[in-house]
Amino acid sequence: DAKTTQPNSMESNEEEPVHLPCNHSTISGTDYIHWYRQLPSQGPEYVIHGLTSNVNNRMASLAIAEDRKSSTLILHRATLRDAAVYYCILRDPLAGNMLTFGGGTRLMVKP
Amino acid sequence: EAGVAQSPRYKIIEKRQSVAFWCNPISGHATLYWYQQILGQGPKLLIQFQNNGVVDDSQLPKDRFSAERLKGVDSTLKIQPAKLEDSAVYLCASSLQGSPLRSPLHFGNGTRLTVT
Repeated sequence: DAKTTQPNSMESNEEEPVHLPCNHSTISGTDYIHWYRQLPSQGPEYVIHGLTSNVNNRMASLAIAEDRKSSTLILHRATLRDAAVYYCILRDPLAGNMLTFGGGTRLMVKP
Repeated sequence: EAGVAQSPRYKIIEKRQSVAFWCNPISGHATLYWYQQILGQGPKLLIQFQNNGVVDDSQLPKDRFSAERLKGVDSTLKIQPAKLEDSAVYLCASSLQGSPLRSPLHFGNGTRLTVT
């Protein structure tokens, strides 16, 4: 079973920031939080990952709560090309430490 | 850098037939994964290879699915015989190191299988 909880879908306006939430209340002390996204008709692509501290890269920022039970992926200025399914993933010890995908959040961006 | 190559892009077969998918990972990537993605769901890991050895195949339905990675480079995934519920996109991914914690996965665009 997936160990993260995400909203099924979210909407955003183009050029506005987007905050995609993820709850992971049973996260263990050594689990990393990974985010991938999947554009239509493509395979997933890596976005960002972190352990405890907030992380930034050219694609997005990851804000991790102090208790690590939730995190937020931040897209600073949404574009139409950011419309995708966003997956928040934890290492899953029950699946041989592999990445286990849940259902993700479908982000729709309106022009 | 060339991405993960998969073929064919689409495949339609009848139930009880066999089918094979091919994957060529990014050059130098030692770890290769096969995922199954049913419509509307997230990808589900089927098998992971490290070089030419199997690391994890606990989710692979071994009565009908098989996979190999001879010479530790490209890989094939086979289904024999196919069932209607095998209709899905089959994704191949590769990474530099064994742990996804340290090396992100790079995915191909998948093979869409339809079983009629």
